[in-house]
Amino acid sequence: KAGVTQTPRYLIKTRGQQVTLSCSPISGHRSVSWYQQTPGQGLQFLFEYFSETQRNKGNFPGRFSGRQFSNSRSEMNVSTLELGDSALYLCASSLVGEETQYFGPGTRLLVL
Amino acid sequence: AQSVTQLDSHVSVSEGTPVLLRCNYSSSYSPSLFWYVQHPNKGLQLLLKYTSAATLVKGINGFEAEFKKSETSFHLTKPSAHMSDAAEYFCVLMDSSYKLIFGSGTRLLVRP
Repeated sequence: KAGVTQTPRYLIKTRGQQVTLSCSPISGHRSVSWYQQTPGQGLQFLFEYFSETQRNKGNFPGRFSGRQFSNSRSEMNVSTLELGDSALYLCASSLVGEETQYFGPGTRLLVL
Repeated sequence: AQSVTQLDSHVSVSEGTPVLLRCNYSSSYSPSLFWYVQHPNKGLQLLLKYTSAATLVKGINGFEAEFKKSETSFHLTKPSAHMSDAAEYFCVLMDSSYKLIFGSGTRLLVRP
C-alpha cells in the first residue's frame, strides 16, 4: 500500500506570495492532519480534516488554511507569506477510530 | 494541559552499546504515547505506541519503551545501537481531541 505522499517536496517563495501544498493520504484513510516543523518551535499541529470538515485547529493565524476533498486528499494554503513561515510542512493520515498517524515526507518551504 | 518533555536534546553512544532516550509526560488522564523517528530530510516514522494494553511496548528495529505511570515516564531503549539508528527521535502524546503533542526531540549520534 502506498504511503502518504506530499507535493511538491521543495518550494521557494518570496514574502507576500501565497502557497498551496498538497497531501494524498494512505488509501482508506479519511483523517488528514497537518504539522509545521521549524528549528525554533519544533513540531506544531496546524489542523485536522475529516470527511471534508475541519475537525481540529491549532494556534496559527488565519493566513493558514486548508481543505479536504471527497477523495480525502487535502491541501493547505498559506497566504501573505512571511519569512517565519519557512519550515517543513508534514501531513499525516489515519484511519477512522485509529490513533496512529502515518506521516508523509513533508514539503520544505523556503520564504525569501 | 498535556505536555511532553524530552530530557536530552542530544545523546551520543558507541555502536553496539545500549541506547536510552528519556521522555516524561504530563496528562490528567492515561494518555496514548508514541515514539517517532525522523531521519535527515525525511518524514516521521512510527517506532512504537502505548495505548494502555501493556506497559512494556516493543517496536520496530529492536526498540522498546516502558510506560511508568508512577514516574510519568515513557523512556525509549535499545540494547545495542547501530549506525543506522542515528536520527532524531520524538516522544509524542495524543491529547483528548486526538491532536499530537510533540516533545522537542532528541538527536541520537552513534559513534563507530
